[in-house]
Amino acid sequence: GEDVEQSLFLSVREGDSSVINCTYTDSSSTYLYWYKQEPGAGLQLLTYIFSNMDMKQDQRLTVLLNKKDKHLSLRIADTQTGDSAIYFCAGWDSSASKIIFGSGTRLSIRP
Amino acid sequence: EAGVAQSPRYKIIEKRQSVAFWCNPISGHATLYWYQQILGQGPKLLIQFQNNGVVDDSQLPKDRFSAERLKGVDSTLKIQPAKLEDSAVYLCASSSGLADPRETQYFGPGTRLLVL
Repeated sequence: GEDVEQSLFLSVREGDSSVINCTYTDSSSTYLYWYKQEPGAGLQLLTYIFSNMDMKQDQRLTVLLNKKDKHLSLRIADTQTGDSAIYFCAGWDSSASKIIFGSGTRLSIRP
Repeated sequence: EAGVAQSPRYKIIEKRQSVAFWCNPISGHATLYWYQQILGQGPKLLIQFQNNGVVDDSQLPKDRFSAERLKGVDSTLKIQPAKLEDSAVYLCASSSGLADPRETQYFGPGTRLLVL
């Protein structure tokens, strides 16, 4: 089955780029996701990438996928205070037909 | 379009008591999920319904947890009796179709449970 790991904290200055990293174990994961959780709220799907892609860009968000190293990253350009949240990396476990979430990276923004 | 609704938002109980959570998914969504999110961890799937049938309850501690989705719409998750380690946020999510990696899951705000 799938296992997903990510660092717990990241602090960046407002206006800088944020890069959140994640590693996963299941090389057969067809879909990998990034979710955002704001305080007191549920998770919101930000973006996802299919395993036959290396990169996906969506406005300020860029997802990079390195299948060889089983490494996924999320880059947020021009980070704003509204980006403060916990970001979850997740993968599709095809053997169990469900999404497996990492522990989340808390992004804090410095003025 | 209204989102996924959950109630209550917060609940404090003593161990060995029982508690129930309610979820109303997005209208028309066939698939409903209950997740447990322990502090500092990602959500873990407890149970998944397709309409009113259970698709996956492999991670549901069935000696104390139960869930139902009567009429294939809203759902309740019950814990009886509660243990200290059940303290967590219980998230409900729904998606329009079958469990498919391309189907977006929409999450409710969660119910935060504290067991003393």
